Amino acid sequence: DVKVTQSSRYLVKRTGEKVFLECVQDMDHENMFWYRQDPGLGLRLIYFSYDVKMKEKGDIPEGYSVSREKKERFSLILESASTNQTSMYLCASSPRGSGANVLTFGAGSRLTVL
Amino acid sequence: GNSVTQMEGPVTLSEEAFLTINCTYTATGYPSLFWYVQYPGEGLQLLLKATKADDKGSNKGFEATYRKETTSFHLEKGSVQVSDSAVYFCAPGGSNYKLTFGKGTLLTVNP
Repeated sequence: DVKVTQSSRYLVKRTGEKVFLECVQDMDHENMFWYRQDPGLGLRLIYFSYDVKMKEKGDIPEGYSVSREKKERFSLILESASTNQTSMYLCASSPRGSGANVLTFGAGSRLTVL
Repeated sequence: GNSVTQMEGPVTLSEEAFLTINCTYTATGYPSLFWYVQYPGEGLQLLLKATKADDKGSNKGFEATYRKETTSFHLEKGSVQVSDSAVYFCAPGGSNYKLTFGKGTLLTVNP
């Protein structure tokens, strides 16, 4: 069964800590995405990557960075966590070409920043 | 860029009721259109899609028709089940890999 795996389902961190959210896909997809999901705001794109070592800013990149050193892995980094980054983070992947908008999502990582 | 407006929830129905969730969008050109569903405790998954005007996407008893004239892609199901309780997201596709998701509509189906 193909899947996108997010390393942590629940995390609790303190303000100012550096946070790593890891995502791995086993479908050999070229595209990978990080979204955050908040009540009343839906999904907002943070960053995406269409190839190894490539990244593009989404709609809300401030306070975040990403790393894609291998095709299957896409990491989201919060350099200095703040309380307004408390959210559900969703990773997704998709193939190149006509299927690029057919995303496979992970189960999500719920981050609480105290 | 693209934008999407979908019916605000929550929507609460009894089992076997008819469901409509409205979705309208603005986009450059004629993008593919998608409905994604998020079941409790899970990530989103593709429910159905339509790639051109007048296409009807269907899956699990759900249907949506691509209406170019009204820029709409309303989701319908004739008889909902308790297991359909979830959050539903409408999304016009983007040529630059980016989907634009609506804010989601929470559906609760009671037995």
